[in-house]
Amino acid sequence: GQNIDQPTEMTATEGAIVQINCTYQTSGFNGLFWYQQHAGEAPTFLSYNVLDGLEEKGRFSSFLSRSKGYSYLLLKELQMKDSASYLCAVRGNNRLAFGKGNQVVVIP
Amino acid sequence: SAVISQKPSRDICQRGTSLTIQCQVDSQVTMMFWYRQQPGQSLTLIATANQGSEATYESGFVIDKFPISRPNLTFSTLTVSNMSPEDSSIYLCSVEIGMGSDTQYFGPGTRLTVL
Repeated sequence: GQNIDQPTEMTATEGAIVQINCTYQTSGFNGLFWYQQHAGEAPTFLSYNVLDGLEEKGRFSSFLSRSKGYSYLLLKELQMKDSASYLCAVRGNNRLAFGKGNQVVVIP
Repeated sequence: SAVISQKPSRDICQRGTSLTIQCQVDSQVTMMFWYRQQPGQSLTLIATANQGSEATYESGFVIDKFPISRPNLTFSTLTVSNMSPEDSSIYLCSVEIGMGSDTQYFGPGTRLTVL
């Protein structure tokens, strides 16, 4: 099976940088995804990593280390609208499993 | 990505009744999925909706409780049968879009409350 671990909640100040970590265990790894989910809404796709290293997309970057079973999502220049839950999802043996999500609260 | 719609967006139902949720995509997709997200929890895959054949259910989910139809490559339905308050949840459909990453994109969800 798959096991995905994320911290549950963090608070950060507008304009700051926040790093959200995800550790996982899976067999047949073939991709890690980050999603953003605002309260009461569906998850929206943020990023995809399948090779080791950093993928940058505007204010959001995602890093993957397959040997360590570890990923992080970096949010820069935080804005109030970034307050949301961030879900890490891992595909192993063509099955996608989601972590419980990390609630980020952005304060002025 | 794709434009995905779900109907209804929310409903309040009585115990013992059934509700059918529709998912419509604006383009043909091979892979469609149904998830459940209970309050404060992450997404749990219910089943993969297969076009032209029976859905593939995950452990803990059965066809009698969650019958699924997939008549074509743009549409699917999920029925929540003989509902109980434990079925109160958000139900989401998703589609997988290829182009290398096979990313899943989600519909807006159906918020179901069972009294």
